[in-house]
Amino acid sequence: DIVMTQTPLSLSVTPGQPASISCKSSQSLLFGDGKTYLFWYLQKPGQSPQLLIYEVSRRFSGVPDRFSGSGSGTDFTLQISRVEAEDVGVYYCMQGIHFRTFGQGTKVEIK
Amino acid sequence: QITLKESGPTLVKPTQTLTLTCSFSGFSLSTTGMGVGWIRQPPGKALECLALIYWNDDKEYSPSLKSRLTITKDTSKNQVVLTMTNMDPVDTASYYCAHESRYIYGPVFDYWGQGTLVTVSS
Repeated sequence: DIVMTQTPLSLSVTPGQPASISCKSSQSLLFGDGKTYLFWYLQKPGQSPQLLIYEVSRRFSGVPDRFSGSGSGTDFTLQISRVEAEDVGVYYCMQGIHFRTFGQGTKVEIK
Repeated sequence: QITLKESGPTLVKPTQTLTLTCSFSGFSLSTTGMGVGWIRQPPGKALECLALIYWNDDKEYSPSLKSRLTITKDTSKNQVVLTMTNMDPVDTASYYCAHESRYIYGPVFDYWGQGTLVTVSS
């Protein structure tokens, strides 16, 4: 299994301030087709996970542009440029190069 | 509009077999690139992918749970069924099904059902 490790596990952010979450994989997520299969989800309280970012940096339909993803190989980052109250929840990274595995999750709350 | 909904028992006894059904609309599992997966989440814990099935009937299973899982599809009914044998209290979790459009967004679940909580207890 590919192990996905997220840091930090929790984050308290003042509205309007930026936030950053790191995700490291135990092996490279670069596939033979040249694409890197790293994805980000947000699970809001009491809801199903919702896709935010696919292939490292592409925003899914309807995702605000304050969310951005970056990275390569085994190191990836999700950034929120200005956190809003609706961004609270648990963020997960997931790899798709082998059988899907998720990170442990990062809980984001508002100060 | 893609929607998925899970159904099945809310309570199962230890050693019993769990059967969950994912009913979906807005896509066909006979269309190239489409897939449906099952993911679970124990209360307060992280997500764990269990199994996937694709338009061409290819299947993938969690290596650690493979011996207990079976995933099948009924394209005419727009349903995917997951069975998990020998249930244990540690299998208590919310079980989600989710859609994948492999050739559009890659190997990622883009739409999820609401989930169903399954409790394993005698």
